[in-house]
Amino acid sequence: SQQGEEDPQALSIQEGENATMNCSYKTSINNLQWYRQNSGRGLVHLILIRSNEREKHSGRLRVTLDTSKKSSSLLITASRAADTASYFCATDGGSARQLTFGSGTQLTVLP
Amino acid sequence: NAGVTQTPKFRVLKTGQSMTLLCAQDMNHEYMYWYRQDPGMGLRLIHYSVGEGTTAKGEVPDGYNVSRLKKQNFLLGLESAAPSQTSVYFCASSPSRGTGGRSYTFGSGTRLTVV
Repeated sequence: SQQGEEDPQALSIQEGENATMNCSYKTSINNLQWYRQNSGRGLVHLILIRSNEREKHSGRLRVTLDTSKKSSSLLITASRAADTASYFCATDGGSARQLTFGSGTQLTVLP
Repeated sequence: NAGVTQTPKFRVLKTGQSMTLLCAQDMNHEYMYWYRQDPGMGLRLIHYSVGEGTTAKGEVPDGYNVSRLKKQNFLLGLESAAPSQTSVYFCASSPSRGTGGRSYTFGSGTRLTVV
């Protein structure tokens, strides 16, 4: 069973626009992470936000976390064609020793 | 650094055949994991290991076995392959729990087809 569920499942935007993806989860967490997967490749870690943080930035990425709503969002600003990929959230629940991944958002950035 | 290396990258098996997928990491990570990825289902954990000589079941362990004889290697075995095991398999590793949080490093995957 998946802890995180991403929304939307698919997103298509024009180059230069911002892309926002959301993740909802069910139980308490220590941290939440976002990963990117290019077609045919493994997942690559993008950013980690701890449960006591509300917002975090890394380059063109902005992640927010609302533990009261059990939700997170990933914003990619000024998107590029190279951002085309699937994006997954993953939750670290503390007692469990493994991350639990959502089903992903497929982002397509049109040139 | 090579990171996490998976071999083979592609394989076609006949139903009932056996095979072993190898995962090797050079980052001295304590934890290692095997996931399978199927269309529309995200990543599902098969087995994981928190140290040399220890393994544990994940969400979908049936039909698979694992071994962690050396810290840097984590093997996934299919004793009698079934078409339902057609999937892309990913290995990942991470440090043990620390205050900084653990992030995974993934291999590039093994695409397995069982006919």
